[in-house]
Amino acid sequence: QKEVEQNSGPLSVPEGAIASLNCTYSDRGSQSFFWYRQYSGKSPELIMSIYSNGDKEDGRFTAQLNKASQYVSLLIRDSQPSDSATYLCAVRGLTGGGNKLTFGTGTQLKVEL
Amino acid sequence: DTEVTQTPKHLVMGMTNKKSLKCEQHMGHRAMYWYKQKAKKPPELMFVYSYEKLSINESVPSRFSPECPNSSLLNLHLHALQPEDSALYLCASSQGSGGAQVNEQFFGPGTRLTVL
Repeated sequence: QKEVEQNSGPLSVPEGAIASLNCTYSDRGSQSFFWYRQYSGKSPELIMSIYSNGDKEDGRFTAQLNKASQYVSLLIRDSQPSDSATYLCAVRGLTGGGNKLTFGTGTQLKVEL
Repeated sequence: DTEVTQTPKHLVMGMTNKKSLKCEQHMGHRAMYWYKQKAKKPPELMFVYSYEKLSINESVPSRFSPECPNSSLLNLHLHALQPEDSALYLCASSQGSGGAQVNEQFFGPGTRLTVL
């Protein structure tokens, strides 16, 4: 079992719809959770972080964390073509002195006109 | 300001060359990272410096040599690389696990390395 799992996609949604990206993790001791957006040929950009159970909203983005189910998700409301990118889920545990991130393989999102 | 800068943006080198990648941050972060990323793969951790000391080396070949001259700077010295080392090399920084519950990592723009 991979430590952090994501569906590789591509996930296609029409413009204006809600995109739902999901991630599961295996380490119950994981401390904090991150979503990065990466455009082709560019570096990852942090868009959301969450460490408590529940929802965290920032503009069109909502991160949801359920530690009991070991599940974290990212909702993108009113999806725009500019949201088309690969979304990386990353999990921070206690290994490496708490500095190590474990990445999922990423989900490619395509927002269609 | 959440900016991490990296130089150069692009680098082409032969297998016998010696070159260095540079990374700088002015966010007061105490942890700095080197990652390697191949196309369509997630970033792969190479090294972590915490409070200017090497804390993680993910079994990286010795042809890659990291250096942290001070808390704002991180270098990666390259020597006798192989064509399969061609990749995007990413630097990141974070507050450090001792200082923040979340410990968000911020990435620089990367150096696109091609080894001929």
